[in-house]
Amino acid sequence: QVQLVQSGAEVKKPGASVRVSCKASGYIFTSYSMHWVRQAPGQGLEWMGIINPHGGGTSYSQKFQGRVTMTKDTSTSTVNMELSSLRSEDTAVYYCARENSYYDSLGMGFDAFDIWGQGTMVSVFS
Amino acid sequence: SSELTQDPAVSVALGQTVRITCQGDSLRSSYASWYQQKPGQAPILVIYGRDNRPSGIPERFSGSSSENTASLTITGTQAEDEADYYCNSRDSSGNLRWVFGGGTKLTVL
Repeated sequence: QVQLVQSGAEVKKPGASVRVSCKASGYIFTSYSMHWVRQAPGQGLEWMGIINPHGGGTSYSQKFQGRVTMTKDTSTSTVNMELSSLRSEDTAVYYCARENSYYDSLGMGFDAFDIWGQGTMVSVFS
Repeated sequence: SSELTQDPAVSVALGQTVRITCQGDSLRSSYASWYQQKPGQAPILVIYGRDNRPSGIPERFSGSSSENTASLTITGTQAEDEADYYCNSRDSSGNLRWVFGGGTKLTVL
């Protein structure tokens, strides 16, 4: 079945970097863009960026520009998200989410995040 | 960039109908999607486009859109519908960016 399996929880000190991976299975990896979304404790969802596994092109939220890098490994159907210069405010659950394109009876296209990983807790404290 | 605004909390009596709204400039050019999130779980997609449900989502969930506002309606709300609901859409800036609403906590009384 279609699923996204993320790497395990991480504990980091301020100033360090963290890499979270997301392994896709059950579908053609290069056919769907992947997003990263995070959720701080008790807070809402926050969009971080997107990577196109076909060509590797990326687009990041301005909030994370310069600190986030998203990469892909086609050989293992995995996308990675690296966040650097960590601070306590980066403590959150990080999710990967697949973007799917749907078409209605009129041929109109809509994009949505249809499959989500289980989430990876990243804790930042000294 | 743009923002999507949601009411922080809404309550509904069991079996009744509830509407959750999402407002933002990006909705003038892009349809919203809606996600349900229960405590300790990843979000799941419940509505995409104007009013489309993925396979497995009950018919009591529906969506609508007008100008800069998208709405998620649950008709005949069940106890298991108690959750946080988030809207999202493409950013209106024209770049390949997305934005989420702040989320609405739905309580079923």
